[in-house]
Amino acid sequence: KQEVTQIPAALSVPEGENLVLNCSFTDSAIYNLQWFRQDPGKGLTSLLLIQSSQREQTSGRLNASLDKSSGRSTLYIAASQPGDSATYLCAVRPRDSNYQLIWGAGTKLIIKP
Amino acid sequence: GAGVSQSPRYKVAKRGQDVALRCDPISGHVSLFWYQQALGQGPEFLTYFQNEAQLDKSGLPSDRFFAERPEGSVSTLKIQRTQQEDSAVYLCASSLPTPYEQYFGPGTRLTVT
Repeated sequence: KQEVTQIPAALSVPEGENLVLNCSFTDSAIYNLQWFRQDPGKGLTSLLLIQSSQREQTSGRLNASLDKSSGRSTLYIAASQPGDSATYLCAVRPRDSNYQLIWGAGTKLIIKP
Repeated sequence: GAGVSQSPRYKVAKRGQDVALRCDPISGHVSLFWYQQALGQGPEFLTYFQNEAQLDKSGLPSDRFFAERPEGSVSTLKIQRTQQEDSAVYLCASSLPTPYEQYFGPGTRLTVT
């Protein structure tokens, strides 16, 4: 059974620092992996989606990498800003499902001004 | 264009009451999903519709939970005889025919007292 883990559960860093969020999964048979952002009282916003054949995706200050063989993904945030404060979740789509998403519990990120 | 909308945004119910949560998907999205997110956890899959057909309801936690999408657009998640453990955020997502990316609504926060 696929399990997704995100460590740490919470992270607080000063503004301007570069940081890395981690996501690990137990079964490498995935279709894709997606990083989401969740703000309090708001829904989930998709940040980056990496297909299983890709190694990384970039959007602005965000870069997500995928190492399927080791069951790991990282989300790199450059030059962090207070507006980046949110909970970041990763989700994998198993290869044997065209709609199921298996989620991590998220990392709550606080960027201190 | 308009995103996924959900109503109400907040609902407080006394234990034993019935509740109905509404989801308006993005126009033209044939796939619709319901998730349950407990505090500090990632979303858990509840059920999936393609048009009006409920193709997967394996995630519904008990027979007190019922979902429908009679005309293939708006969906309603109904919870009968609510219990305290039903307190959570209920998220709705829609997409073009799977396996396209899912777009999430803001969620309904249900508190059962």
